[in-house]
Order: sequence, then C-alpha cells, then structure tokens
Amino acid sequence: GQNIDQPTEMTATEGAIVQINCTYQTSGFNGLFWYQQHAGEAPTFLSYNVLDGLEEKGRFSSFLSRSKGYSYLLLKELQMKDSASYLCAVLDSNYQLIWGAGTKLIIKP
Amino acid sequence: ETGVTQTPRHLVMGMTNKKSLKCEQHLGHNAMYWYKQSAKKPLELMFVYSLEERVENNSVPSRFSPECPNSSHLFLHLHTLQPEDSALYLCASSQDRGGPDTQYFGPGTRLTVL
Repeated sequence: GQNIDQPTEMTATEGAIVQINCTYQTSGFNGLFWYQQHAGEAPTFLSYNVLDGLEEKGRFSSFLSRSKGYSYLLLKELQMKDSASYLCAVLDSNYQLIWGAGTKLIIKP
Repeated sequence: ETGVTQTPRHLVMGMTNKKSLKCEQHLGHNAMYWYKQSAKKPLELMFVYSLEERVENNSVPSRFSPECPNSSHLFLHLHTLQPEDSALYLCASSQDRGGPDTQYFGPGTRLTVL
C-alpha cells in the first residue's frame, strides 16, 4: 500500500529552527508537496520538490531525497504565526496525491 | 473575488436532511476536487472532475452526490448522512488533472451530522 509518515505534533520556540520530516512509500513518484494549514482555514501551498536537494524560499526550505523516500520542511526564525499544521503529499505514478496526516506545529514564546 | 470559495462555512444537519455544499473557483482551472478531512487523518479524496466530467469516484457512499455544472462550480449534495460523516469538506482546483499542478484549496465547510 501507499503510505506517508510524518510526526503528529511538534513544539518549538519563537525565533528557533524546526525541521518537520516526512517519509513515503508510494507507487511511483512525481513530486512531493508541502502545504500549511492554519486551524479552520484552507491548506495553502508552500513548496514542490521533484529533484533531490534543498529548495529555499525565504524562511522556509524543503529537502528531498528520492532514494531514501524522505523529505523535510525546515522553518527558520520561527514566528507565532507559523503555528499551524504542515501537510506532506506525494504525487504517485498516476499523478494522484497521497497525503500524510499532517504535523501540528506549536510555537511557544 | 479570487481563489476558491466555499459555502456554507459551517453546516449542522440531521440524518434525514438534504443539503448541498457549494464551491466556486475564480482561477480558470480545469480540474476540481472534493476532499474529506477528519481529525488526525490524511485528506481523503472523494471526487475529481476534469473539464466538467467526473474522472474519479473513490468508493464514496451514494449519500454523497457531486455535481459539476461548469468548470467554475462544484456542488456536493448530501442526503441521509451518518454522524461519522461529520468532518471538514474541502474543495480544491488545479490547472489540469494528471500532472504536477498545484492544487488550490477553499476554506472548507465544517459539517456536523446530529
């Protein structure tokens, strides 16, 4: 079967750095997405990785290793507004998105 | 208005009621999706429409009935629901189906079935 694993919840301190991991086992691979979802709001697109390596976008970076079936989202200089759920999703060989259950990130002052 | 909108934002209904959820996208996309989001579970894809044609139906019970009258609008008709159907229902759209196109989501309808 297809599976996406990510931690259920993480806690970090304002101003610090946090890394949210995602491991996947899917039928084929056509890219990996990260979305941010604040409570009661729509998931919003953060990043898309299809090649190995690190992609940086401001305070957020996303890393992919296809050989290891592994990705992480790195958030720097954490702000209180970064408190949200972070969803990892993989596009399989049929271009269907397989979703993880999300990681709830709690930022403490 | 831009992006993907959904109405109503909140809905409480009894098991014998009939209601409809509405989604509208203002992005000129060709594909639209209905998802169910339950607490601590992955998003569950329910239906996919591409160019107004239903291309995917993931074993969803018949008490959920989608309708796509045009490429900008998507409805989810609900009847005889069960309490376990209580969840956040998200609509999304993407430029096309079958490629690495980013999906854009609406804010969802929080459904409670009594």
